[in-house]
Amino acid sequence: DVKVTQSSRYLVKRTGEKVFLECVQDMDHENMFWYRQDPGLGLRLIYFSYDVKMKEKGDIPEGYSVSREKKERFSLILESASTNQTSMYLCATGRGDGYTFGSGTRLTVV
Amino acid sequence: GESVGLHLPTLSVQEGDNSIINCAYSNSASDYFIWYKQESGKGPQFIIDIRSNMDKRQGQRVTVLLNKTVKHLSLQIAATQPGDSAVYFCAEDQAGTALIFGKGTTLSVSS
Repeated sequence: DVKVTQSSRYLVKRTGEKVFLECVQDMDHENMFWYRQDPGLGLRLIYFSYDVKMKEKGDIPEGYSVSREKKERFSLILESASTNQTSMYLCATGRGDGYTFGSGTRLTVV
Repeated sequence: GESVGLHLPTLSVQEGDNSIINCAYSNSASDYFIWYKQESGKGPQFIIDIRSNMDKRQGQRVTVLLNKTVKHLSLQIAATQPGDSAVYFCAEDQAGTALIFGKGTTLSVSS
């Protein structure tokens, strides 16, 4: 089975901090994705990547950046965390037959 | 922009009943649809999928129906069990882009 591992389940950060959310997958998939999940809004795509050093903006990229230096690792970066970035962040990998998600990182910005 | 949506944010059923969760999509170019189940504290998990050249697909206790004429997708769960309580998301693949998810329906099953 594809395993997608997100480094932290819970994070609490202060406003203005730089925050790194890490995601690692172990099945050699090219595609990786970052979504955020908020009540009543479902999953919204932040960024995705189809290959190493390649990135594409999703629907809500403002305030975020990403890094894909290695095929198995896709990092989401909050350059200067704000309270409206408090959310559940989900990493996924997959191809045309559906995605496999990590367990999520619940980030609270205070 | 176009998006995938669900008709009801919550659905409550009795154990043993059949559940139907609905989803409307707006992009007629979408050719692949997936239902995901998300239990508390976990990431979404694949349940069942269907491609646009089909109108029905069955799995174990679950059936997905696709009506391309009205751009409607539904998930039917037979003999719903307490373990089926979760948030259910539909997602569409617009070929070449990332999956677009609906807002989710919370299914509550009471004994």
